[in-house]
Amino acid sequence: QVQLVQSGPEMKKPGASVKVSCKASGYSFSDYGISWVRQAPGQGLEWMGWISPYNGNTNFAQRYQGRVTMATDTGTSTVYMELRGLVSDDTAVYYCARDPVLVNYYYHSGLDVWGQGTTVTVS
Amino acid sequence: QSALTQPASVSGSPGQSITISCTGTNSDIGAFTYVSWYQQHPGKAPKLLIYEVTSRPSGVSDRFSGSKSGNTASLTISGLQAQDEADYYCSSYRVRHTHVLFGGGTRLTVL
Repeated sequence: QVQLVQSGPEMKKPGASVKVSCKASGYSFSDYGISWVRQAPGQGLEWMGWISPYNGNTNFAQRYQGRVTMATDTGTSTVYMELRGLVSDDTAVYYCARDPVLVNYYYHSGLDVWGQGTTVTVS
Repeated sequence: QSALTQPASVSGSPGQSITISCTGTNSDIGAFTYVSWYQQHPGKAPKLLIYEVTSRPSGVSDRFSGSKSGNTASLTISGLQAQDEADYYCSSYRVRHTHVLFGGGTRLTVL
């Protein structure tokens, strides 16, 4: 079945970086983009950005530009999200989600498959 | 403060219908047919219910329906069931700056 499996929980100190992985299976990896969404404790969802395994294009939410990097490894069908300069407000559950947008972010058609989430604690 | 505005909570009795609103601007909801809705149970990942305003992914009950008028999108749940109790989020595309906006979420209580 189609699934995204994320790496385990992380505990980081302020100023550090965190790298979260998201391994896809059950579908053609290069046919869909991957978006990252985070959710702080008791808060709503926030879109962080997107990467295309097809052409490597990325698009980041304005507030994360310069602080986030996304990369893909087509050999292992894995996407990575790295967030630098962590502060306590970055404490959140980070989700990867399959995104039908593949080439450039000219539209949005919903995120149809989600990973289980990775808890990142900054303290 | 979220970019899209949703009511914090709604409630309804089993069998009833409820509607959750999501208000944006003419730069996001009002400009495109790219509105999605998600259901999230506590401790779980969100689940896509509606995409492109009115479309349902395979496997999503037809009790869930979406619509849009001007800068406001709506999710209607008919025939409320106990398992519908969850948080619901809308999202919309925007051309400039941050491309995907989410609402603040609405907690649905089934009485």
